[in-house]
Amino acid sequence: EAQVTQNPRYLITVTGKKLTVTCSQNMNHEYMSWYRQDPGLGLRQIYYSMNVEVTDKGDVPEGYKVSRKEKRNFPLILESPSPNQTSLYFCASSVELNTEAFFGQGTRLTVV
Amino acid sequence: AQSVSQHNHHVILSEAASLELGCNYSYGGTVNLFWYVQYPGQHLQLLLKYFSGDPLVKGIKGFEAEFIKSKFSFNLRKPSVQWSDTAEYFCAVTRGNNYGQNFVFGPGTRLSVLP
Repeated sequence: EAQVTQNPRYLITVTGKKLTVTCSQNMNHEYMSWYRQDPGLGLRQIYYSMNVEVTDKGDVPEGYKVSRKEKRNFPLILESPSPNQTSLYFCASSVELNTEAFFGQGTRLTVV
Repeated sequence: AQSVSQHNHHVILSEAASLELGCNYSYGGTVNLFWYVQYPGQHLQLLLKYFSGDPLVKGIKGFEAEFIKSKFSFNLRKPSVQWSDTAEYFCAVTRGNNYGQNFVFGPGTRLSVLP
């Protein structure tokens, strides 16, 4: 089954404790991206990657890092999480830029 | 900067009522347009998309949308809603030949359908 898999689905952490949210897709898509969803703001893009070792900032990259060492994986790294990063995070992939995006199930992160 | 606006924050309808959700975007060049739906507690799923051709696009579950280039709009419609359509709906835009920013989403419209 074609899918985008994120882990974990739920995470509660403390301020400053580094964390990684994993994202993996099995569709051989070149393009992957991370979004955060906040009430009233819709989805805002954090980072995206057009291929292995090619990443770039989206709208709200501050406080986040990503890496794309393999085509299927695109982890999101919070080196020092803060409460304003409490949000619902979605990973997405698409076969190429500007085409339909397939979304993961989401990761609800709470930073206390 | 490119932006997407959705006219309504929350729409409440009774079953069998007709639905129209507004979406406007600010970019003037070639665009690709999408409507996604997010059912409670779930991820976003594609309802329909427009890349080119017939501006009236039909999607899944009886939804359709009309692209009006002169109005920079891509409104979503359904003639008769069901309780199961209760969800949040997001309009999204991408630029046709862009190597930078990908999707720009609107803030979403929450639809509540009363049985």
